[in-house]
Amino acid sequence: KQEVTQIPAALSVPEGENLVLNCSFTDSAIYNLQWFRQDPGKGLTSLLLIQSSQREQTSGRLNASLDKSSGRSTLYIAASQPGDSATYLCAVPYNQGGKLIFGQGTELSVKP
Amino acid sequence: GAGVSQSPSNKVTEKGKDVELRCDPISGHTALYWYRQRLGQGLEFLIYFQGNSAPDKSGLPSDRFSAERTGESVSTLTIQRTQQEDSAVYLCASSPWGTGYEQYFGPGTRLTVT
Repeated sequence: KQEVTQIPAALSVPEGENLVLNCSFTDSAIYNLQWFRQDPGKGLTSLLLIQSSQREQTSGRLNASLDKSSGRSTLYIAASQPGDSATYLCAVPYNQGGKLIFGQGTELSVKP
Repeated sequence: GAGVSQSPSNKVTEKGKDVELRCDPISGHTALYWYRQRLGQGLEFLIYFQGNSAPDKSGLPSDRFSAERTGESVSTLTIQRTQQEDSAVYLCASSPWGTGYEQYFGPGTRLTVT
């Protein structure tokens, strides 16, 4: 059974810091891994999708890496800003179905 | 183009009443998913539609929950005889195909059962 874990559960950093969010999964036979952002009371915004054949994916100040063999992904946020404050979720598809298995999320707070 | 839309955005209902939630996927997306997010908990998969295939209902928590989708268009999630534990945000997502493709989420429907 696939399980997804995110560490830390919460993180508070001063503005301008670079930071890393971690995601681990128990079954390495994944098709892809998706990182999302969720603002309070809102839906999910897709940030990055990294396919199983890729090692990295970049979008602006965000960089996601994937190491299937070790069951890990990291989301690197460069030069953090207060507007980055949100909950960050990672998710992987479950077997042949497209349904996603989510981690519990990391709640990020960037202080001005 | 338009994203995934859901209605209503908020719904307050009395225990025991039936509710119907609606999802409009992105045009052309063949896959549609429903998830639930209860307060302080992670997202749970409920049901998945892929084209004309039989839906994957493995995540539905009880027979009070059902969902329909006509072709590749709108989906409705129906909860009968609502209970307080059904209070949650119900999120809908769509993707171009299924496994391996990016899922795009709607803003959700916040359901409160009093």
